[in-house]
Amino acid sequence: EPEVTQTPSHQVTQMGQEVILRCVPISNHLYFYWYRQILGQKVEFLVSFYNNEISEKSEIFDDQFSVERPDGSNFTLKIRSTKLEDSAMYFCASRGSLILTGELFFGEGSRLTVL
Amino acid sequence: QKEVEQNSGPLSVPEGAIASLNCTYSDRVSQSFFWYRQYSGKSPELIMSIYSNGDKEDGRFTAQLNKASQYVSLLIRDSQPSDSATYLCAVNIPNNAGNNRKLIWGLGTSLAVNP
Repeated sequence: EPEVTQTPSHQVTQMGQEVILRCVPISNHLYFYWYRQILGQKVEFLVSFYNNEISEKSEIFDDQFSVERPDGSNFTLKIRSTKLEDSAMYFCASRGSLILTGELFFGEGSRLTVL
Repeated sequence: QKEVEQNSGPLSVPEGAIASLNCTYSDRVSQSFFWYRQYSGKSPELIMSIYSNGDKEDGRFTAQLNKASQYVSLLIRDSQPSDSATYLCAVNIPNNAGNNRKLIWGLGTSLAVNP
């Protein structure tokens, strides 16, 4: 069964360092997302990406964040200068269907710990 | 502020009983509603989706939607210890183009099924 894969599964970094989280969405999917979940809190939408550009982003997704689809298969989330409050589980998701009701497929997540 | 509210629990039921999970949402334009299961430290896994008023059954799971009351529920029949997890309610907020899968999430209800 096709799946969304994410790397690394866990990354520990120092405050102020740059972090890149990588995702390989399901190959024929068209819509890509990043969500995050701080421990004990709600899952939060960060950004959606379609047709090689951001289609929507949340207030959380400020200038420190960026997304890229560099090679047609990977979908990356970069945090330029990490803060303590960026510590969270980051989930990548993808969707293939053009209709709104298409299912979102989630990766297993990347746990980011900022010290 | 668009919100999705759930009783955080924990909800404790004996094995074989019916577990009832509830969710309310604030945005009347929401069109799609989802129940996800999340085991500790893992990514959300889709259990049920529902788009129109009424009941939708899939095996031991039944989702119920009442758009007038802005209420969606999940019933789990013949609960098993393996059903013990956090159940997340998620609601789709479409963008102006109507093509985005931006999900707004509840905090989740923790379910414990006791053998």
